[in-house]
Amino acid sequence: EDKVVQSPLSLVVHEGDTVTLNCSYEVTNFRSLLWYKQEKKAPTFLFMLTSSGIEKKSGRLSSILDKKELFSILNITATQTGDSAIYLCAVEGSNYKLTFGKGTLLTVNP
Amino acid sequence: SAVISQKPSRDICQRGTSLTIQCQVDSQVTMMFWYRQQPGQSLTLIATANQGSEATYESGFVIDKFPISRPNLTFSTLTVSNMSPEDSSIYLCSAILPQETQYFGPGTRLLVL
Repeated sequence: EDKVVQSPLSLVVHEGDTVTLNCSYEVTNFRSLLWYKQEKKAPTFLFMLTSSGIEKKSGRLSSILDKKELFSILNITATQTGDSAIYLCAVEGSNYKLTFGKGTLLTVNP
Repeated sequence: SAVISQKPSRDICQRGTSLTIQCQVDSQVTMMFWYRQQPGQSLTLIATANQGSEATYESGFVIDKFPISRPNLTFSTLTVSNMSPEDSSIYLCSAILPQETQYFGPGTRLLVL
């Protein structure tokens, strides 16, 4: 059974801090690892990672995948209150199905 | 990316009734899925919506409880049947576009009394 473990489960920081969110996984027939941000209902897509060691970057967010050690990290630099959300890690396995971790609840205080 | 819409966005229902949720994508997609997110939990895949044929259900989900239709490439429905309070969740559809990743609809928040 595919499995995704995220840590920490929750995190409280101050504006301007840098955070690192972790995601480890076990999956048969790995296709990709995805990061989503969930603020209200719908997860919004952040990154899709398929290759080890290649950093994906979007503004203050970046992510990298290690397929040998089976983990990924999501970094957010210079955090803002608008970054407060649940960050979900998911792995895409057979037939494009996603298995999600429990998420990391990030709270950024002013 | 694509625009994915869901109707209704939220509903409050009585136990024993059924609710049908619609999902519409504004461009052709290769695959569509339905997920459930129970309070305080992460997303769990209910089923893959197959065009023109029966959906493929994950372990713990059955067609009698969650019938799904997908009459064409861009539209799908999920029915939550004979509801109980345990069905109170957010229900999300997702779609994979050709050569792209998986995007989610805005979700339907369901409360069963």
